[in-house]
Amino acid sequence: SQELEQSPQSLIVQEGKNLTINCTSSKTLYGLYWYKQKYGEGLIFLMMLQKGGEEKSHEKITAKLDEKKQQSSLHITASQPSHAGIYLCGADAFKTSYDKVIFGPGTSLSVIP
Amino acid sequence: KAGVTQTPRYLIKTRGQQVTLSCSPISGHRSVSWYQQTPGQGLQFLFEYFSETQRNKGNFPGRFSGRQFSNSRSEMNVSTLELGDSALYLCASSSGRQYEKLFFGSGTQLSVL
Repeated sequence: SQELEQSPQSLIVQEGKNLTINCTSSKTLYGLYWYKQKYGEGLIFLMMLQKGGEEKSHEKITAKLDEKKQQSSLHITASQPSHAGIYLCGADAFKTSYDKVIFGPGTSLSVIP
Repeated sequence: KAGVTQTPRYLIKTRGQQVTLSCSPISGHRSVSWYQQTPGQGLQFLFEYFSETQRNKGNFPGRFSGRQFSNSRSEMNVSTLELGDSALYLCASSSGRQYEKLFFGSGTQLSVL
């Protein structure tokens, strides 16, 4: 079955610094999602990537899907305290039919003012 | 549009009891997925209901069950509670089509004593 790994597990950065979170899949990614979660709350959708080499940006967050579609990165530029939270990548488990969306273990981000 | 509503927000039960959690999806959404989130295991897929039918199922024991009503509202039941069932239970709704983002509720925090 498909599994998602994320690195790093946790990250502490100074406000204003850039950072990158990685998500690696054991199988080809056909639908890759990035979500953000505040502790003890639900997940908020950030971006979705489907095509190899695709890149999307929203405000100061940029997500990329590599050409082989087995790795994605999330890059935050000039981090702010509001960026703190848990970032999870998720993927549709199979391409040919609708299947469950599975998630990586998450990356906990703390931003120090 | 109202978001995904989960009730109750917090729940405390004792071992051996059973519990029912409720999820009201976004109006028009026909798919409801349930996830269990714990610090050790992360976000684990429980099951997904689409148009009152269970479409996908994760690797959880039979004590975990669910159903979906004709108005797309869904309930999840856990019988014979164990200490290890303590977790944040999240539900997510979507249109049910492939590669569509999930909208998450705030979750039900279940504590089993």
